[in-house]
Amino acid sequence: KAGVTQTPRYLIKTRGQQVTLSCSPISGHRSVSWYQQTPGQGLQFLFEYFSETQRNKGNFPGRFSGRQFSNSRSEMNVSTLELGDSALYLCASSFRSADVSYQETQYFGPGTRLLVL
Amino acid sequence: AQSVTQLGSHVSVSEGALVLLRCNYSSSVPPYLFWYVQYPNQGLQLLLKYTSAATLVKGINGFEAEFKKSETSFHLTKPSAHMSDAAEYFCAVSAMDTGRRALTFGSGTRLQVQP
Repeated sequence: KAGVTQTPRYLIKTRGQQVTLSCSPISGHRSVSWYQQTPGQGLQFLFEYFSETQRNKGNFPGRFSGRQFSNSRSEMNVSTLELGDSALYLCASSFRSADVSYQETQYFGPGTRLLVL
Repeated sequence: AQSVTQLGSHVSVSEGALVLLRCNYSSSVPPYLFWYVQYPNQGLQLLLKYTSAATLVKGINGFEAEFKKSETSFHLTKPSAHMSDAAEYFCAVSAMDTGRRALTFGSGTRLQVQP
């Protein structure tokens, strides 16, 4: 079974621009979560999408948004980029069973490394 | 809310030596605990997880961890380090007390293995 894929793998943008990152979950997985990884803040939860709806959200400004499509693929968008948005953005997928979702393994993709100049 | 503390941002061991990476958690409800490994320029790979079935959990690549409720710990061990174990290791917790389904990660421990 193919793993989680993320595109693009690397991206360079300038301040003020916007960016869209894509994530394809493992086949059959219905939930996609996004995390930001930086040297200073570590791994932080951005949001989770399930059944095309945002289910959970971390403490990030509204410039960070996302969506999920009917095939469970997800995109994340960052508008008005700031230098501090430079990070590795990781996508994770899981099945999300109703009764055991908190203990389910989240499977991570390789990430998209974003550099904002 | 839950939190995770990983003691030691860098750990160096000799090849063949015991690996011990420390993780302490805080949670007001029974937690689910995970250890992930990250190799350079890659995503996170699950090593093992605790879901209350057994306190001693065995994972991939010879790693294991023991859940100790009294010490609120979930330390990761491997009897004999291999060069290929050099990577960054993250402990994470998932708990239902916040109603938010998300992993809360520790700050990570970079493991260096000396020949």
